[in-house]
Amino acid sequence: DVKVTQSSRYLVKRTGEKVFLECVQDMDHENMFWYRQDPGLGLRLIYFSYDVKMKEKGDIPEGYSVSREKKERFSLILESASTNQTSMYLCASSSFGTLNTEAFFGQGTRLTVV
Amino acid sequence: SQQGEEDPQALSIQEGENATMNCSYKTSINNLQWYRQNSGRGLVHLILIRSNEREKHSGRLRVTLDTSKKSSSLLITASRAADTASYFCATDAFDDMRFGAGTRLTVKP
Repeated sequence: DVKVTQSSRYLVKRTGEKVFLECVQDMDHENMFWYRQDPGLGLRLIYFSYDVKMKEKGDIPEGYSVSREKKERFSLILESASTNQTSMYLCASSSFGTLNTEAFFGQGTRLTVV
Repeated sequence: SQQGEEDPQALSIQEGENATMNCSYKTSINNLQWYRQNSGRGLVHLILIRSNEREKHSGRLRVTLDTSKKSSSLLITASRAADTASYFCATDAFDDMRFGAGTRLTVKP
């Protein structure tokens, strides 16, 4: 069974804190993604990575950074948390290439910034 | 910007009826996929259709793809109350994957 595990289900942080969201996958997938999901806006791509130490900006990278030091782990970092970063964060992984690109998702982290 | 746009935003039907959701996208794709999300959970993959395919079936699901119109549709036949969820289309272009805002489907028993 493919498993994508996010470190926390719920998280409450204070404005200005540095926040780390961790994601680990066990399928040896090359691609990993971070999305945020807000009501009425669907999933918006923050960053993705197709290889260790590689990262690409998605559609809303401002205020975020990422780290991929190992293939199985992709971390999302909020450098200085703000209230407008209160959201559901979803991590996903998939195989590299064009044929079987099915993505597997973690259970999500609901982050509240107060 | 988001790649996919689902239509309608919300759909309410009776059990046993068919549900059709549409997705439009903007740029060239490798594959188009449909996912389902139960309230507050992660997304689960339903079906993938490649850019050179026009139609695909999986159980009660039927997906069509029209690359000339940059659109896709998802048909769920003989719906059940358990199909109540949000449905998202996703487009991938090699190594990224982008989603639309989703369709919220409610199936009434």
